[in-house]
Amino acid sequence: DTEVTQTPKHLVMGMTNKKSLKCEQHMGHRAMYWYKQKAKKPPELMFVYSYEKLSINESVPSRFSPECPNSSLLNLHLHALQPEDSALYLCAIGGDPLASTDTQYFGPGTRLTVL
Amino acid sequence: GQNIDQPTEMTATEGAIVQINCTYQTSGFNGLFWYQQHAGEAPTFLSYNVLDGLEEKGRFSSFLSRSKGYSYLLLKELQMKDSASYLCAVRDEAYGNKLVFGAGTILRVKS
Repeated sequence: DTEVTQTPKHLVMGMTNKKSLKCEQHMGHRAMYWYKQKAKKPPELMFVYSYEKLSINESVPSRFSPECPNSSLLNLHLHALQPEDSALYLCAIGGDPLASTDTQYFGPGTRLTVL
Repeated sequence: GQNIDQPTEMTATEGAIVQINCTYQTSGFNGLFWYQQHAGEAPTFLSYNVLDGLEEKGRFSSFLSRSKGYSYLLLKELQMKDSASYLCAVRDEAYGNKLVFGAGTILRVKS
């Protein structure tokens, strides 16, 4: 059973706030992902960490800052966000981003509202 | 470039069979995935195909034809809880093996 936890479940923040989203897994998967999903749209990839190193940044604005302190934890630091950044933020894990058989499993997500 | 097409919406009756199609164009195809997503929840992995043919998993089956750039997800014995969005995603090795998602197909199961 693959388990990915994300906290908080819901977050409301103002445009001047600094907050962080947290993703945790204990499956030993070495690839960790951040996605952003707007209503009625598919998930959009933001960042990929492979073996705790940032391997892909999909030209995400610098107000989003990812961090991978260890193989179990992935953070997304938020600062000076805009209302249009309101979305469901999904963390996903996978075994090896270079392996063709790698499957991504999603966490439950954080519903973010920026006022 | 990449292009993934799925029907926007489908409606089917409880107990019936429904087929959700997905066509794709990618530079470096390296696997196709189907996810289920209920409203307000995260996507849940359903199936994976990298070779041509049918993969069966309980009430769900997924088919792939690489030469045609085509896949379908088959849901049998539909239940009301199958009402959800179904996302087709393609892994493209020309883009660092990242997953590219289709827009999703909203399936409504009626009684």
